[in-house]
Amino acid sequence: TQLLEQSPQFLSIQEGENLTVYCNSSSVFSSLQWYRQEPGEGPVLLVTVVTGGEVKKLKRLTFQFGDARKDSSLHITAAQPGDTGLYLCAGDDTDKLIFGTGTRLQVFP
Amino acid sequence: EPEVTQTPSHQVTQMGQEVILRCVPISNHLYFYWYRQILGQKVEFLVSFYNNEISEKSEIFDDQFSVERPDGSNFTLKIRSTKLEDSAMYFCASSVFGTGGEKLFFGSGTQLSVL
Repeated sequence: TQLLEQSPQFLSIQEGENLTVYCNSSSVFSSLQWYRQEPGEGPVLLVTVVTGGEVKKLKRLTFQFGDARKDSSLHITAAQPGDTGLYLCAGDDTDKLIFGTGTRLQVFP
Repeated sequence: EPEVTQTPSHQVTQMGQEVILRCVPISNHLYFYWYRQILGQKVEFLVSFYNNEISEKSEIFDDQFSVERPDGSNFTLKIRSTKLEDSAMYFCASSVFGTGGEKLFFGSGTQLSVL
C-alpha cells in the first residue's frame, strides 16, 4: 500500500509568516496533486505537478515535485488568515488518488 | 464552475440499516469516485467507476458496499447494513479522463452518522 506522509500535522502561525509543508512517500508517483479542504467541504484542487523537479507557483504558493517523484513541498509566502485550512497532497495511483495525512494550517491575524 | 452535487448533506441512521448516498457528477465527466473521511483522519479511496462498471475498489469497499449509475446522471453509493465504523464524511468525485494528472472535482460530502 502506498502511503503519503505529510509534515507538520498542525501548523499555527501569525499573518505574514512563511511556511513549508512536506509530503513524503517511499513510492514513485506519476503525478502529485495538492488540495485544500475547508470545514464541511470537499477538497479543492490547487495544483498538479507531473515532472520530477517541477516547480509551480500560484500567487503566494510555490509547489515543488521532488526529482525522484516521491516527495513534494508546498511553500506559502506571507501567509494570510484566508490561507487557513487543511492542505492535502494526493498521489496518482492509476485509477485513484492516494491522499496524504494532511496538514492543518491556522493563520492568525 | 460546474459542481458535483451530493445529497443528503447529513444522514443519521441506526446500525444495521441500509443507506443510499446520492451524487450528481458533472455532466460531461466519465470517471466517478467515492472517497470517505473519518473525523480527524485522512481521505480514503473507496471505489472508482467507469463505463458502467467498477474499475478499482479498496479493501474498505467490501460486500456491504455497492455503487450504481441508475439513470446516466446519478451516481449512488449504497451501504447495505451500516456499522458504527461507517460513520464518516463521504465524498463523491468526478473527472473527465480519470486520474493521471487530471482534475478531480469533489462534492461537498454527505456526513453519515451511524448510531
